[in-house]
Amino acid sequence: NAGVIQTPRHKVTGKGQEATLWCEPISGHSAVFWYRQTIVQGLEFLTYFRNQAPIDDSGMPKERFSAQMPNQSHSTLKIQSTQPQDSAVYLCASSLDGQYEQYFGPGTRLTVL
Amino acid sequence: QQQVRQSSQSLTVWEGETAILNCSYENSAFDYFPWYQQFPGEGPALLIAIRSVSDKKEDGRFTIFFNKREKNLSLHIKDSQPGDSATYFCAASDAGGLSGKLTFGEGTQVTVIS
Repeated sequence: NAGVIQTPRHKVTGKGQEATLWCEPISGHSAVFWYRQTIVQGLEFLTYFRNQAPIDDSGMPKERFSAQMPNQSHSTLKIQSTQPQDSAVYLCASSLDGQYEQYFGPGTRLTVL
Repeated sequence: QQQVRQSSQSLTVWEGETAILNCSYENSAFDYFPWYQQFPGEGPALLIAIRSVSDKKEDGRFTIFFNKREKNLSLHIKDSQPGDSATYFCAASDAGGLSGKLTFGEGTQVTVIS
């Protein structure tokens, strides 16, 4: 079991550029969650897919952020026109059924200069 | 509004002692409470979890005590080891609801001194 895989581990972008973060959930898990971690805000929920369908995006900033899950083996989080305040560690988690145990990947550290 | 709150930002214990981390929550709909352990540069790792139908969950040196009436819970780390030095997050979700999203506390940084 390779665990949740996130790529890249580190990404540096210039202000205004686009960033795409990738997540590969644990094989067989039907649910994928995205969270963001900063020193100031802590761990915050962003969005959630189950069986590739978007279920809850209540934590997603309304502008510039989007997420997709085109197949059961990967999900992407895209940030358009990145801003310095988007700098954070973006964490992906997967769950067998979306209800209980969530297993996190190592995260992608995004730095916006 | 902080729906999940951890009472201490940091905690220092001696090797062999029991570390006690406290957590409280506000949303009565929360029914699943995991604790995560995080080391620098890594993602949070699921340590132990409890459902609201139980008042105690034990796994090796780690025990959760849960009080539904008071809306609080605690994590006890027995016989603390230097390797337990990490940040611990209390989390909660309404697992029976539409979304299993986790709401996290602020984290408690535990340091075990040998």
